[in-house]
Amino acid sequence: GDSVTQMEGPVTLSEEAFLTINCTYTATGYPSLFWYVQYPGEGLQLLLKATKADDKGSNKGFEATYRKETTSFHLEKGSVQVSDSAVYFCALRRGSARQLTFGSGTQLTVLP
Amino acid sequence: DTEVTQTPKHLVMGMTNKKSLKCEQHMGHRAMYWYKQKAKKPPELMFVYSYEKLSINESVPSRFSPECPNSSLLNLHLHALQPEDSALYLCASSQERGGQGSGVSFYGYTFGSGTRLTVV
Repeated sequence: GDSVTQMEGPVTLSEEAFLTINCTYTATGYPSLFWYVQYPGEGLQLLLKATKADDKGSNKGFEATYRKETTSFHLEKGSVQVSDSAVYFCALRRGSARQLTFGSGTQLTVLP
Repeated sequence: DTEVTQTPKHLVMGMTNKKSLKCEQHMGHRAMYWYKQKAKKPPELMFVYSYEKLSINESVPSRFSPECPNSSLLNLHLHALQPEDSALYLCASSQERGGQGSGVSFYGYTFGSGTRLTVV
């Protein structure tokens, strides 16, 4: 079946540091890939997405590129802020399926 | 309106109570979902409604009863819950293209902010 593997957290960075959160997936066909962010006490917000190979999703300074050859969708940001502290979920959705398959989530804490 | 609205935000209920969670969206999305999320875990799918019909039930216990009265509303009726059912319950919606049964094109989920449920 489909699966998503994220790097283990928690991740703690200083403000303005570079962020990478690794995500790899297993799925048949050509899934769509997503990053969701969950701030404390809130629901999930779609951060970015990519629907085909080599697509780059970007939003709020975050980027991720759909790499089919390595089945990866790593999240990056050049300079994190304290306000980026949250849990980040990588997810996929295979073409005909309605449900999302989530990774385990990565807790990010950014210190001032 | 680009939001999914869930009420209440917090709910405490006893094991003999009956309560309902509500979810509303006005984006014209024809697929709606209930997810359950335990602390420090990813959301787990419970139910999917497509065009107001239940299309997926992930073997959820019958003490959880979903209802979709119309294309904008989704309810989750709760009865005789257990303390282990305490969690954040998330509603989501997504747009679908094509008619019923014709295959789904996915435009992304919009999640609500959730109802934090505590069963005592």
